[in-house]
Amino acid sequence: DGGITQSPKYLFRKEGQNVTLSCEQNLNHDAMYWYRQDPGQGLRLIYYSQIVNDFQKGDIAEGYSVSREKKESFPLTVTSAQKNPTAFYLCASSTGIVNTEAFFGQGTRLTVV
Amino acid sequence: GIQVEQSPPDLILQEGANSTLRCNFSDSVNNLQWFHQNPWGQLINLFYIPSGTKQNGRLSATTVATERYSLLYISSSQTTDSGVYFCAVNRGGSNYKLTFGKGTLLTVNP
Repeated sequence: DGGITQSPKYLFRKEGQNVTLSCEQNLNHDAMYWYRQDPGQGLRLIYYSQIVNDFQKGDIAEGYSVSREKKESFPLTVTSAQKNPTAFYLCASSTGIVNTEAFFGQGTRLTVV
Repeated sequence: GIQVEQSPPDLILQEGANSTLRCNFSDSVNNLQWFHQNPWGQLINLFYIPSGTKQNGRLSATTVATERYSLLYISSSQTTDSGVYFCAVNRGGSNYKLTFGKGTLLTVNP
């Protein structure tokens, strides 16, 4: 089945630790995105990548890092510099060309303990 | 950047009722999508509708790009329609990122 797979579904992290969230897609999409959602809020863009080996900061990039070494993969690292990392993280992809309809993974819920 | 406003923020219906959700945006857009966020948090694509009207079963959507708004209609609502509905837009060109509204929380009571 074609789609976007995020793992893990739930993640617990101790304060001061870095953690990496996985996002893989087999839709052959060029563009990939990471969003953060806080309770009762909309989604805010963290980072996005329109092509392999290139990515740009979104609206709330501080304390996060990404890489795009392969077209199908866009991992997000939440670093210890992120002051309030507990949130729901959603990964998306789109063709990024003419039809820019985006599709989302199932999300990772990160809790800092 | 572009601003997206959704209304109403909350909506409570009885099963079988109809509803209209609105999305206003502050600039011209290349892409507009409606999503339903289910209780497990996943975003389900409802419509990709930068302009015009589309229908899918009990749901339909209309975007009037020249007036910068979109409407999502839900007819004969069911309890399974409950959840948060998001509108998201993209300005196109070389920038593909979506900007989201804050959503409408819909509760359908039996």
